[in-house]
Amino acid sequence: DAGITQSPRYKITETGRQVTLMCHQTWSHSYMFWYRQDLGHGLRLIYYSAAADITDKGEVPDGYVVSRSKTENFPLTLESATRSQTSVYFCASRARGEDSPLHFGNGTRLTVT
Amino acid sequence: GIQVEQSPPDLILQEGANSTLRCNFSDSVNNLQWFHQNPWGQLINLFYIPSGTKQNGRLSATTVATERYSLLYISSSQTTDSGVYFCAVGDSNYQLIWGAGTKLIIKP
Repeated sequence: DAGITQSPRYKITETGRQVTLMCHQTWSHSYMFWYRQDLGHGLRLIYYSAAADITDKGEVPDGYVVSRSKTENFPLTLESATRSQTSVYFCASRARGEDSPLHFGNGTRLTVT
Repeated sequence: GIQVEQSPPDLILQEGANSTLRCNFSDSVNNLQWFHQNPWGQLINLFYIPSGTKQNGRLSATTVATERYSLLYISSSQTTDSGVYFCAVGDSNYQLIWGAGTKLIIKP
């Protein structure tokens, strides 16, 4: 199916565990983004990528790692999960061009116990 | 950094009513977008509108960049318009700063 797919939809993990959230897009968009959404904070940018092998930090990168070896995939890894990382995580992508709209995945709800 | 304020925080309307949502921002921007998050959590891009006016069906948006605000108009509201409307601004499309949103409930 065309679009942007996140997996898993729901994840429960324990404090200290490593967990990876997956994001896959079929549009060959250059830019990809990871956001977290917490009640009362809107969305906050964690990391973004302008192309394969190019990544950069956003507003709240601490505790997260990303990679982008292929244009279509942009996994987000929590190296040692903490309770403060309980959140809903959204992946997004867009084409080149300033007025290209952001397209979002359906989100991953992560709970760290 | 840029501050984004959206108002009202909550809005409850009857089906068929019109509504105006506001987004104020604290500094000059060259990127402003409106998004709708439906009750199932899906985020949909509505408008890219750093200045001027755009319309798409029952929705329209106006940004007055010199006065640092944007308005989203919804006419003849339908229950499917319910959800949270976000304004996001920035000086690039990388570091968009998001408002806290306006939660809209349309009653049948």
